[in-house]
Amino acid sequence: GEDVEQSLFLSVREGDSSVINCTYTDSSSTYLYWYKQEPGAGLQLLTYIFSNMDMKQDQRLTVLLNKKDKHLSLRIADTQTGDSAIYFCAVLPGGGYQKVTFGTGTKLQVIP
Amino acid sequence: GAVVSQHPSRVICKSGTSVKIECRSLDFQATTMFWYRQFPKQSLMLMATSNEGSKATYEQGVEKDKFLINHASLTLSTLTVTSAHPEDSSFYICSALTGRGTDTQYFGPGTRLTVL
Repeated sequence: GEDVEQSLFLSVREGDSSVINCTYTDSSSTYLYWYKQEPGAGLQLLTYIFSNMDMKQDQRLTVLLNKKDKHLSLRIADTQTGDSAIYFCAVLPGGGYQKVTFGTGTKLQVIP
Repeated sequence: GAVVSQHPSRVICKSGTSVKIECRSLDFQATTMFWYRQFPKQSLMLMATSNEGSKATYEQGVEKDKFLINHASLTLSTLTVTSAHPEDSSFYICSALTGRGTDTQYFGPGTRLTVL
């Protein structure tokens, strides 16, 4: 099965850029997602990228996909205290399956 | 669009009782919904896939007789935790597929279950 790995913790200063990394193992993965989870809440879809894309930008968010290295990253520009949360990367495998595999989650702490 | 609700948001029950959690897609029809369980400081663990009008598909290790799933309509799936025990205490989250081609899951806000 698919393995999705993330670093557990990231701390940045307010106003700096944050980069959250994710690696996966299934090279036939089709869609790759980033979700945000605030304490006690469900998951909020931030953005997603299709596997034939290298980059996607959406306001302060930039997603980079390196298919060769099976590496996905989420960059948050001008990080704000409201960005403090746990960020999950999720990968949808190929083969028509609907089940995604979630990473372990990265806790982002923004220091004022 | 693509809003998913869950009810209740929090529930406390006594050991041995059953608890029903509802997951609704508010502005779309969801032929497929998923139920996850999340332990503190951990990732999501998929429990089952729920398809409208058919039996749910449970993941390995998940007791289907304990976690009853019903997907009676295109906007509602329910998870019933039967004969709950303290070890069933967890955060339960549902998600739904919109069927709009991206296979993107939209998540509900979660239900915190505490079994005393």
